[in-house]
Amino acid sequence: KAGVTQTPRYLIKTRGQQVTLSCSPISGHRSVSWYQQTPGQGLQFLFEYFSETQRNKGNFPGRFSGRQFSNSRSEMNVSTLELGDSALYLCASSWTEDTEAFFGQGTRLTVV
Amino acid sequence: GENVEQHPSTLSVQEGDSAVIKCTYSDSASNYFPWYKQELGKGPQLIIDIRSNVGEKKDQRIAVTLNKTAKHFSLHITETQPEDSAVYFCAPHPPEGTSGSRLTFGEGTQLTVNP
Repeated sequence: KAGVTQTPRYLIKTRGQQVTLSCSPISGHRSVSWYQQTPGQGLQFLFEYFSETQRNKGNFPGRFSGRQFSNSRSEMNVSTLELGDSALYLCASSWTEDTEAFFGQGTRLTVV
Repeated sequence: GENVEQHPSTLSVQEGDSAVIKCTYSDSASNYFPWYKQELGKGPQLIIDIRSNVGEKKDQRIAVTLNKTAKHFSLHITETQPEDSAVYFCAPHPPEGTSGSRLTFGEGTQLTVNP
């Protein structure tokens, strides 16, 4: 079956702009989580959606938001981009909370 | 929340040697213990996991051992090969209903297998 698909793979934005990243989970998975990966902070949890509802949120500012659609596809948005937002953004989907999480290849965001 | 420590942060071994990475966690209620491998340019991929009702699980050259009393679990790779070179992450998981699908990852271990 198809894996988790994230688009775009690479993105370059200017400070102050906003960006939207997309994630298509594995068919049948209803849980979608987002993570930020940076060399200094490692893998940090952003938020999780389950059946269109945000079920969990990490310690990130309100500039980071997300949503999930009825087909389980998810988007995350970052407004007023800062240089420190440059990172690899990873999406993971799973069947339930405590089953294997499948990760996409990520979106590499560079803010200049 | 869960506090996770992973050691060592870097590990260099000769091809054919064994490698062991240890993960210590704080939440005694954690009951699912996965290890992920992340190769350059890719997302993390689950390589092995264990649940709290067993102490050890093996899959060919990879094994995971769990010590719930001491709250740590370890990844063991035997007969290492150059393709094992990657970053490895642990992500102990509390019971369903307590945190959703929120994984707390260790800091990662960069494993280098020298030919």
